[in-house]
Amino acid sequence: QKEVEQNSGPLSVPEGAIASLNCTYSDRGSQSFFWYRQYSGKSPELIMSIYSNGDKEDGRFTAQLNKASQYVSLLIRDSQPSDSATYLCAAYPGAGSYQLTFGKGTKLSVIP
Amino acid sequence: ETGVTQSPTHLIKTRGQQVTLRCSSQSGHNTVSWYQQALGQGPQFIFQYYREEENGRGNFPPRFSGLQFPNYSSELNVNALELDDSALYLCASSLTPGTDQPQHFGDGTRLSIL
Repeated sequence: QKEVEQNSGPLSVPEGAIASLNCTYSDRGSQSFFWYRQYSGKSPELIMSIYSNGDKEDGRFTAQLNKASQYVSLLIRDSQPSDSATYLCAAYPGAGSYQLTFGKGTKLSVIP
Repeated sequence: ETGVTQSPTHLIKTRGQQVTLRCSSQSGHNTVSWYQQALGQGPQFIFQYYREEENGRGNFPPRFSGLQFPNYSSELNVNALELDDSALYLCASSLTPGTDQPQHFGDGTRLSIL
């Protein structure tokens, strides 16, 4: 069973701080990783994709990938109350599978 | 650019009934995937459609079936509804089936089984 694991939280950070969200995956063949944000009662919204080791930055968001450790993370700088949501980590398993596999999500609360 | 649209928004059914959910893919996207999201869980992959054929299936029974039409829109059909089928059903589209392709979600259909 290919798995993506996340700490369910809740993770609370003060406004303006850096929020760090973590994800591990079991399939060494996984090549593509995605972070989605999901507000309560809404659908997931793609915020970052990462395909190679290292960091990828987009505005206040930085995704980090370490394939040797099978670890993906998302950093949110200058956290805002509007960032309060559940963050879902997702990966395509290896061997050409198109079954995007999601973690259970980490609930982030940014405290004003 | 038109995003992924799903209908209906909400639906209430009783056990044993059948339901059809609909999805229009984002402009230019030829691949549609369906997910089931129970409360407090991540989305679970049901199946994917590409070129009007099923292109991969998750761990769901045969009473979950689908279709894709020439315009890339798609339907999810669920027969013999069970209480555990109550969930948010999400449709996502992507440019192609490739494993480097991010998927973009519609607003979902919330299905409640009484």
